[in-house]
Amino acid sequence: GQSLEQPSEVTAVEGAIVQINCTYQTSGFYGLSWYQQHDGGAPTFLSYNALDGLEETGRFSSFLSRSDSYGYLLLQELQMKDSASYFCAVDNYGQNFVFGPGTRLSVLP
Amino acid sequence: DAGVIQSPRHEVTEMGQEVTLRCKPISGHNSLFWYRQTMMRGLELLIYFNNNVPIDDSGMPEDRFSAKMPNASFSTLKIQPSEPRDSAVYFCASSEGLASNEQYFGPGTRLTVT
Repeated sequence: GQSLEQPSEVTAVEGAIVQINCTYQTSGFYGLSWYQQHDGGAPTFLSYNALDGLEETGRFSSFLSRSDSYGYLLLQELQMKDSASYFCAVDNYGQNFVFGPGTRLSVLP
Repeated sequence: DAGVIQSPRHEVTEMGQEVTLRCKPISGHNSLFWYRQTMMRGLELLIYFNNNVPIDDSGMPEDRFSAKMPNASFSTLKIQPSEPRDSAVYFCASSEGLASNEQYFGPGTRLTVT
């Protein structure tokens, strides 16, 4: 089966950079995804890593290292609106999808 | 596009009653997912369809839960009989392709079973 671990909470100040880690145990997968969810809202897609390395999308970047069973989401120039929960997820070769427990990010003024 | 549409947005029902949740995926998407989210268990995949065919239903909790996708534009998740432990937010999501990494989530249905 698959399991993913994330820190439960992270706090940072506006303008700072924060990294949210995701470690996983899985027999194999296509890639690692990241989703954002604001309180009371639905998850929204942020990024996807199929290959090792860094993927950049504006202020957000995501990294994957299959050899280390590790990935992270990097948020730069933090804004108050970035306060939300962030989930990593893996897809088991299209057979099923597993989400991590989520990391609650609080951005302070 | 209107995005993924779910109904109802809120449902309050008594234990033992049948509950039916509905989902309309984004037009052109051929994969559809049903998730359940609770504080205790997080976001769990219940069942996953591709081209209207169930691919993986290992997440369906028990026989009280059933899901159908009669055509490409409609799916239902039914709970019969409902129990208080079924109280959760149920999300439907859709994507292009069999193993698409980008899923689009509907607004969810908040189910409360008393």
